[in-house]
Amino acid sequence: DGGITQSPKYLFRKEGQNVTLSCEQNLNHDAMYWYRQDPGQGLRLIYYSQIVNDFQKGDIAEGYSVSREKKESFPLTVTSAQKNPTAFYLCASSTAHSAVYEQYFGPGTRLTVT
Amino acid sequence: AQKVTQAQTEISVVEKEDVTLDCVYETRDTTYYLFWYKQPPSGELVFLIRRNSFDEQNEISGRYSWNFQKSTSSFNFTITASQVVDSAVYFCASNTGFQKLVFGTGTRLLVSP
Repeated sequence: DGGITQSPKYLFRKEGQNVTLSCEQNLNHDAMYWYRQDPGQGLRLIYYSQIVNDFQKGDIAEGYSVSREKKESFPLTVTSAQKNPTAFYLCASSTAHSAVYEQYFGPGTRLTVT
Repeated sequence: AQKVTQAQTEISVVEKEDVTLDCVYETRDTTYYLFWYKQPPSGELVFLIRRNSFDEQNEISGRYSWNFQKSTSSFNFTITASQVVDSAVYFCASNTGFQKLVFGTGTRLLVSP
């Protein structure tokens, strides 16, 4: 089955620690995305990647970092510089970075930082 | 700049009722795409439909239908004969060219038996 996997589903960390969220896709998609969702709000774009070894900042990139060393993988690191890291994080992918293509989403990771 | 407004925060209906979820978009581009996604309690967003700005035909897929009206900048979503399994948060979104996907704040639909 093709799809996007994110692990773990729930993640707990202490304040001041960096944490990396995993995102893997086997859809052969070039473009991948990370979104953050807070209660009562829509999704906000953190970072996106159009192709391997390339990524661009989204609207709320501060305190986050990414890498795209393989087409299938786009991990997100939430650093200690992120002031309010507790949120639901969704990874997505699409055939290419274009409005023509819909994005497909993974199941998400709920991060709680205390 | 793009903007998507979903004014209805939460809607509650009883099973078998019809329900319409409103979506109003703003864009200066003549070419754009509109989307609806469903987010069930599990959290994963499920793609429902994509519509481009040159295609104003309404679309029906089973109990789901979409009404795209450029004159009012709206892309409304109707569920006919709602079911408990339709309970979810529904997001409308827009995209232009190579720009980002812009989401509305979502409408939570509660369908009770």
